[in-house]
Amino acid sequence: GDSVTQMEGPVTLSEEAFLTINCTYTATGYPSLFWYVQYPGEGLQLLLKATKADDKGSNKGFEATYRKETTSFHLEKGSVQVSDSAVYFCALSDQAGTALIFGKGTTLSVSS
Amino acid sequence: KAGVTQTPRYLIKTRGQQVTLSCSPISGHRSVSWYQQTPGQGLQFLFEYFSETQRNKGNFPGRFSGRQFSNSRSEMNVSTLELGDSALYLCASSFTSGGNSYEQYFGPGTRLTVT
Repeated sequence: GDSVTQMEGPVTLSEEAFLTINCTYTATGYPSLFWYVQYPGEGLQLLLKATKADDKGSNKGFEATYRKETTSFHLEKGSVQVSDSAVYFCALSDQAGTALIFGKGTTLSVSS
Repeated sequence: KAGVTQTPRYLIKTRGQQVTLSCSPISGHRSVSWYQQTPGQGLQFLFEYFSETQRNKGNFPGRFSGRQFSNSRSEMNVSTLELGDSALYLCASSFTSGGNSYEQYFGPGTRLTVT
């Protein structure tokens, strides 16, 4: 079945460092891909999305490109802030968009 | 526009009891999905409703059920609670067009503790 694999955390960075969180997927067809972020004690917030190959999603300085040839959707940010500390989830949706399949999540900790 | 709301936010129940959780979607969203989040299993899809019909279901036992009302509000029910049902239950809503749903927006979740 469809699945998402994320790099294991935690990821610990200093403020203004470059961030990459790797995400690869296995799916039949052409799913939409998402990154969600979860802050402590809260639900998930949609960070960015891409619906077809070579699409780049971007939001709040974060970017990810839908790479069909490598089945990847890596999350990047050029300069992280302490406020970016959270858990990041990569996800794909089924064809009809009724269900999301999530990776295990990557905890990011940014120190000043 | 108000976001997805879930009630209650916290719940403590005893093994063997049943529980009902409620979700109100974003105005105009007719698709509601439910997920269970646990430290061990991560985020797992429970079921999805659209126009009061369950369109998709994850791999959970029949103790987990749901329904959707004509105003798109949804409830999920867990009967005969087990300790392993302790989790954060997340509801998400999405806009639907032509039968396809778009990105899902999540509520804050209901934290269920089973003792």
